[in-house]
Amino acid sequence: SQQGEEDPQALSIQEGENATMNCSYKTSINNLQWYRQNSGRGLVHLILIRSNEREKHSGRLRVTLDTSKKSSSLLITASRAADTASYFCATDQTGANNLFFGTGTRLTVIP
Amino acid sequence: SQTIHQWPATLVQPVGSPLSLECTVEGTSNPNLYWYRQAAGRGLQLLFYSVGIGQISSEVPQNLSASRPQDRQFILSSKKLLLSDSGFYLCAWDRGQRDTQYFGPGTRLTVL
Repeated sequence: SQQGEEDPQALSIQEGENATMNCSYKTSINNLQWYRQNSGRGLVHLILIRSNEREKHSGRLRVTLDTSKKSSSLLITASRAADTASYFCATDQTGANNLFFGTGTRLTVIP
Repeated sequence: SQTIHQWPATLVQPVGSPLSLECTVEGTSNPNLYWYRQAAGRGLQLLFYSVGIGQISSEVPQNLSASRPQDRQFILSSKKLLLSDSGFYLCAWDRGQRDTQYFGPGTRLTVL
């Protein structure tokens, strides 16, 4: 499969704690993206990291990319109840015509 | 600004009935368009994508079909629904750079 895989599948934390989600993939990529999905809604793009980048920040989000290990992590700092959602990684793989989405991590932030 | 619409939001259909889901994009031209299906609690499965009017690529064999009659309109169809067609259907578009995809609100399809 060309899909990425996130772990953990589910994560439950207290408000104010940090949340870390990981994504692994199998082929060469041009970029890796993270998306968020609230229950029953469409996905929303959060952040993109290119294959020649190692770390990127956007507000409370920090993304890292290790192309040698074919893995990425998404860190959400100082989590809020409103961060409760599913988070998906998506890879733009070399030679492919579309993105490949992972299976997602379900994050629950307890107030 | 660009917006993407999908309808209907929810749909309950009997097995064997036809299906037509519509997706339209506003505020951009010549987008790449995508249909995904998401089973409950699962990731996204790409069904079809289109780079232009009348150009459809299918990713998985199935009893669904897609059409793009206009630049910003993407339709997902079936002649006879199966129970396994139940799921959450998402339409998305991008500018062809595969850097950001913009998703519609989705259609929840239940086949009984």
